[in-house]
Amino acid sequence: QVQLVQSGAEVKKPGASVKVSCKASGYTFTSYYIHWVRQAPGQGLEWMGIINPSGGSTSYAQKFQGRVTMTRDTSTSTVYMQLSSLRSEDTAVYYCAREDYDNFDYWGQGTLVTVSS
Amino acid sequence: SSELTQDPAVSVALGQTVRITCQGDSLRNYYASWYQQKPGQAPVLVIYGKNNRPSGIPDRFSGSSSRNTASLTITGAQAEDEADYYCNSRDSSGDHWVFGGGTKLTVL
Repeated sequence: QVQLVQSGAEVKKPGASVKVSCKASGYTFTSYYIHWVRQAPGQGLEWMGIINPSGGSTSYAQKFQGRVTMTRDTSTSTVYMQLSSLRSEDTAVYYCAREDYDNFDYWGQGTLVTVSS
Repeated sequence: SSELTQDPAVSVALGQTVRITCQGDSLRNYYASWYQQKPGQAPVLVIYGKNNRPSGIPDRFSGSSSRNTASLTITGAQAEDEADYYCNSRDSSGDHWVFGGGTKLTVL
């Protein structure tokens, strides 16, 4: 069965970086794009960007341009999302999601990133 | 515009029908997909494309669209349908995606 398993919760200080992983299994890793979505406490879902696991190409939301980097490791079927220059407003649950023809059909369990001094 | 607009909250009596709407310019060119999210859980896809349900989603969930508005309808709402619902589609550029602000559904 399709699974996306994310890394564990992180606590970071303002100005630091965080790298969240998303390990895929149960399907051909390079056949589906992966998106990253975040949700601040009590807030809605926010799209961050997309990575093509096959070639590694990426596209990021304007809001995160220059601060976010998405990469992949095909040998381990893992996608990574790194967010730098963290601030308190980046405190959120970060999700990876598999895209199937514009729809996010499978989601990771979420990774809580807390930014606090 | 790259925005999708949803009503913040909607309520429905148990067993009745409720429609949740999503408005945005990009919906003239792209279908919306709909996600249900319960507290502490990841979102779940409930409707996609013209009106498609993933395996395991009850047939009381249906979708429709007209011009710049997409709708999610729950016919015969159940207590377990109480959740937040989000619409999503590509934005007007087609290169990025955008979520609506979400609608909190209360089943009375």
